[in-house]
Amino acid sequence: SQQGEEDPQALSIQEGENATMNCSYKTSINNLQWYRQNSGRGLVHLILIRSNEREKHSGRLRVTLDTSKKSSSLLITASRAADTASYFCATASLYGQNFVFGPGTRLSVLP
Amino acid sequence: GAGVSQSPRYKVAKRGQDVALRCDPISGHVSLFWYQQALGQGPEFLTYFQNEAQLDKSGLPSDRFFAERPEGSVSTLKIQRTQQEDSAVYLCASSPKRTAQPYEQYFGPGTRLTVT
Repeated sequence: SQQGEEDPQALSIQEGENATMNCSYKTSINNLQWYRQNSGRGLVHLILIRSNEREKHSGRLRVTLDTSKKSSSLLITASRAADTASYFCATASLYGQNFVFGPGTRLSVLP
Repeated sequence: GAGVSQSPRYKVAKRGQDVALRCDPISGHVSLFWYQQALGQGPEFLTYFQNEAQLDKSGLPSDRFFAERPEGSVSTLKIQRTQQEDSAVYLCASSPKRTAQPYEQYFGPGTRLTVT
């Protein structure tokens, strides 16, 4: 079973708008990561946030983490058509050696 | 340098057939992971290797699934007597880190297995 849950499941926006995706998880974590997957391709690592961090930025990406609510959000600013993909959060537990992925958010950015 | 490669990219098997899926990790990467991704879902962990040692196989769904990495480089995921529920994309990932927190995994393109 998957620990993370992203919402929304699907998001459609216009180019230039911001896209916000949320992720919730159930157990204590060491870190949380976001990955992007283009159709028919493997996953690409976007950003990692550690459990003692609250916010992190990377280019047009902004990630927040609220460990008290066991939730994270990924904000993509000034979206582009090339941002169209599925986005997954993945949690690394305190004790495990693998990631637990959520079901993903399918983002469509319309030109 | 080359990324993680997987072969074949697509495999169609008749129910009951055995299949073998290959993963070539990035050269020198210590850790190797296999995931199963059903349509419209996130990847689910299958198994983890550190060099040639299989340290975690808790995600393998049944004893029909077997993975090996005999020389600590190339890995093969074998599925015996395939069933329709085995239809999925099988993703391989590698990481240079040997710790228990192998962030920044590098994923291959996956093998799409269809069992008819």
